[in-house]
Amino acid sequence: KQEVTQIPAALSVPEGENLVLNCSFTDSAIYNLQWFRQDPGKGLTSLLLIQSSQREQTSGRLNASLDKSSGRSTLYIAASQPGDSATYLCAVHDDYKLSFGAGTTVTVRA
Amino acid sequence: DTAVSQTPKYLVTQMGNDKSIKCEQNLGHDTMYWYKQDSKKFLKIMFSYNNKELIINETVPNRFSPKSPDKAHLNLHINSLELGDSAVYFCASSRRTDGYTFGSGTRLTVV
Repeated sequence: KQEVTQIPAALSVPEGENLVLNCSFTDSAIYNLQWFRQDPGKGLTSLLLIQSSQREQTSGRLNASLDKSSGRSTLYIAASQPGDSATYLCAVHDDYKLSFGAGTTVTVRA
Repeated sequence: DTAVSQTPKYLVTQMGNDKSIKCEQNLGHDTMYWYKQDSKKFLKIMFSYNNKELIINETVPNRFSPKSPDKAHLNLHINSLELGDSAVYFCASSRRTDGYTFGSGTRLTVV
């Protein structure tokens, strides 16, 4: 059974600092890995999708890496802004389902 | 224009009632899902349907019954609602190896 762990559970940084969010998973037989953002009381917004054959994906200030063999992914957010405050969820896609981590709640202080 | 739409957005009901949540996607995806987000914000798969066929039923009580009339729709019917059913329910869709798209969620409160 796939287990997804996200570290740290919470993070508070001053504006402008770079963010590093970690995700690990136990079963490397995955189709892809997806990072989502969830604002309080809202739905899930997809940030980045990394296919199992890829090593990284980039979108603007966001960069995600994937090391499938070691079961790890890292989401980097450059030059953080108060608008980046949210919960970030890592999810791995295997065998007709997406397994989620518990999330990292990020607060960016102005 | 909404890719995955769920109705209703909010649902407040009494214990013992029966309720349904509807979900529709216009992305042409062949797989649809129901997820439950509990009070601790953890997201867990409930059901997975591929081409209208049930693929995953993740130890969900029999009171929950999904129905997929076609590939674009996956509804969730809940019988005899209990306090513990209070949660946010998300519908999602995907192609087999593509990313998932989620609906905006239905906040169910059982009183």
